[in-house]
Amino acid sequence: GQNIDQPTEMTATEGAIVQINCTYQTSGFNGLFWYQQHAGEAPTFLSYNVLDGLEEKGRFSSFLSRSKGYSYLLLKELQMKDSASYLCAVMDSNYQLIWGAGTKLIIKP
Amino acid sequence: GAVVSQHPSRVICKSGTSVKIECRSLDFQATTMFWYRQFPKQSLMLMATSNEGSKATYEQGVEKDKFLINHASLTLSTLTVTSAHPEDSSFYICSARVGATEAFFGQGTRLTVV
Repeated sequence: GQNIDQPTEMTATEGAIVQINCTYQTSGFNGLFWYQQHAGEAPTFLSYNVLDGLEEKGRFSSFLSRSKGYSYLLLKELQMKDSASYLCAVMDSNYQLIWGAGTKLIIKP
Repeated sequence: GAVVSQHPSRVICKSGTSVKIECRSLDFQATTMFWYRQFPKQSLMLMATSNEGSKATYEQGVEKDKFLINHASLTLSTLTVTSAHPEDSSFYICSARVGATEAFFGQGTRLTVV
């Protein structure tokens, strides 16, 4: 079966750095996405990785290792507004998105 | 980025009535749109894939007669929850894919059936 695993909840301090991990087992791979979702709102796109390595976009970076079935989202200089759920999703061989359950990130002052 | 508009954002309806949710792509044409449902603290669950000009493709376990999907134009897809019951209360989200990879989401609709 297809499976996406990510931690349920993480806590970090304002101004610090946090890494949210995602491991996956899917039938085929056409890229991995990270989305941010605030409570009661729709997800918003953060990043897309299809090749191994690190993609940096401002305070957010995303890393992919296809051989390990592993990705992480790195958030730097955390702000209170970063408190949200972060969803990892993999596009399988049929170009369908397989979603993780999301990681709720709590930022403390 | 591309804009997907979903309406209404919140709706409360009585049990047994029907509710229609609209999803529009505002600045691009979407031949394919996706409808998701999300229960509290759970992941997005794909309900169906909506294709312009043809019947929607429903995921296993989703009742096509209960969740009617119409994709009448390249910019509009609708989801109608028929004979809604309290267990249908959920957050419904549409998305449209741009190219092969990137997906943009509507704002979501919070449905409460009382």
